[in-house]
Amino acid sequence: QEKVQQSPESLIVPEGAMSSLNCTFSNSASQSIWWYQQHPGKGPEALISIFSNGNKKEGRLTVYLNRASLHVSLHIRDSQPSDSAVYLCAPFYGSSGNKLIFGIGTLLSVKP
Amino acid sequence: AQTIHQWPVAEIKAVGSPLSLGCTIKGKSSPNLYWYWQATGGTLQQLFYSITVGQVESVVQLNLSASRPKDDQFILSTEKLLLSHSGFYLCAWSLQGYAEQFFGPGTRLTVL
Repeated sequence: QEKVQQSPESLIVPEGAMSSLNCTFSNSASQSIWWYQQHPGKGPEALISIFSNGNKKEGRLTVYLNRASLHVSLHIRDSQPSDSAVYLCAPFYGSSGNKLIFGIGTLLSVKP
Repeated sequence: AQTIHQWPVAEIKAVGSPLSLGCTIKGKSSPNLYWYWQATGGTLQQLFYSITVGQVESVVQLNLSASRPKDDQFILSTEKLLLSHSGFYLCAWSLQGYAEQFFGPGTRLTVL
């Protein structure tokens, strides 16, 4: 059974700061790792994904993947109050019914 | 543009009563379809997926069933609700061969 652990559970940062979120997963067979953003009472929305070791940058988002340590991190530069939401890490397993295995999430609050 | 619609928005049902939740995707032909469930304070879990009309695979056993009667429609149902069925039900779609999943707005189910 694949497991995904996210830390911290919650994070409060001032507007303009860097937000750093962490995720470890149990199965190295994942084909890609996704980060989703979920606002209260809404469906999650995909933000960014990564397949290969290393980093990937899109706008204010940077994601780092280390497959050897089964660790992925998401960094949000210049955090804005509108970034306040739950961030979900989800490894993707295409050979198992296109399954995304979600973590419990990190609640990010950006204070003006 | 593709849209995903879920109905109803919210339901309050009695234990032992039947349930039917629906999902419709417009603007995409032959998408992969998924049902997810999120208990309050819990992780998002994939319940079912379907790659074509009439074909549904079960991922997690929760005394629920799913059907895909049309290319753009996915139905989640049970004849007898349990208290443990309460939570947030999300429908999602993806293109064949692609990992990114797009989620609907969800249905909030309360079983009393």
